[in-house]
Amino acid sequence: AQSVTQLDSQVPVFEEAPVELRCNYSSSVSVYLFWYVQYPNQGLQLLLKYLSGSTLVKGINGFEAEFNKSQTSFHLRKPSVHISDTAEYFCAVSLRLSGGYNKLIFGAGTRLAVHP
Amino acid sequence: NAGVTQTPKFQVLKTGQSMTLQCAQDMNHEYMSWYRQDPGMGLRLIHYSVGAGITDQGEVPNGYNVSRSTTEDFPLRLLSAAPSQTSVYFCASSGRRQLSYNEQFFGPGTRLTVL
Repeated sequence: AQSVTQLDSQVPVFEEAPVELRCNYSSSVSVYLFWYVQYPNQGLQLLLKYLSGSTLVKGINGFEAEFNKSQTSFHLRKPSVHISDTAEYFCAVSLRLSGGYNKLIFGAGTRLAVHP
Repeated sequence: NAGVTQTPKFQVLKTGQSMTLQCAQDMNHEYMSWYRQDPGMGLRLIHYSVGAGITDQGEVPNGYNVSRSTTEDFPLRLLSAAPSQTSVYFCASSGRRQLSYNEQFFGPGTRLTVL
């Protein structure tokens, strides 16, 4: 069965510092991996995705993630965070169901708090 | 192009009441789905649809009904609300079955409280 574990429920960091949000997954098949961001009282926005190819994936707002198959990880990184990056971040893996629908299995989320 | 829209944004119900959460998309997507978000649990799939007239259950379907009479709309019905259904509900839509992957687009959410 597929599952996603986000290793930190909260990550406090100072503005302009680097940050890494950790995500591990378990799957017996090839996976598609995603990071979503949720700003306060808003819906989910796709930050980046890994479907195939290069293991280093670049997304919006300066974020990037590295797919590591041997460690079954997909950690999210940003070299210098801004106050505006304060949000909840969700890692997800895709599972293809009958009819071709790609169900998303989400981690519990990591709340990133950027302090001045 | 409004994307995925949901109404209402907020709702308070009493235990036992029924209601329908509305979801519509204008992207001509085949797939639509409902997720619920609870603290510390991420999002979990309630029901999904692969096209008009076709629906199936997700991880947490109990207490919810869906139907898909048109491509655009995918309402979620709570038949008899319970406090355990207090949550934030997100509707999502994604593209076409010919593709191996379809990005999911999420609506803004409905925050439901059941007293």
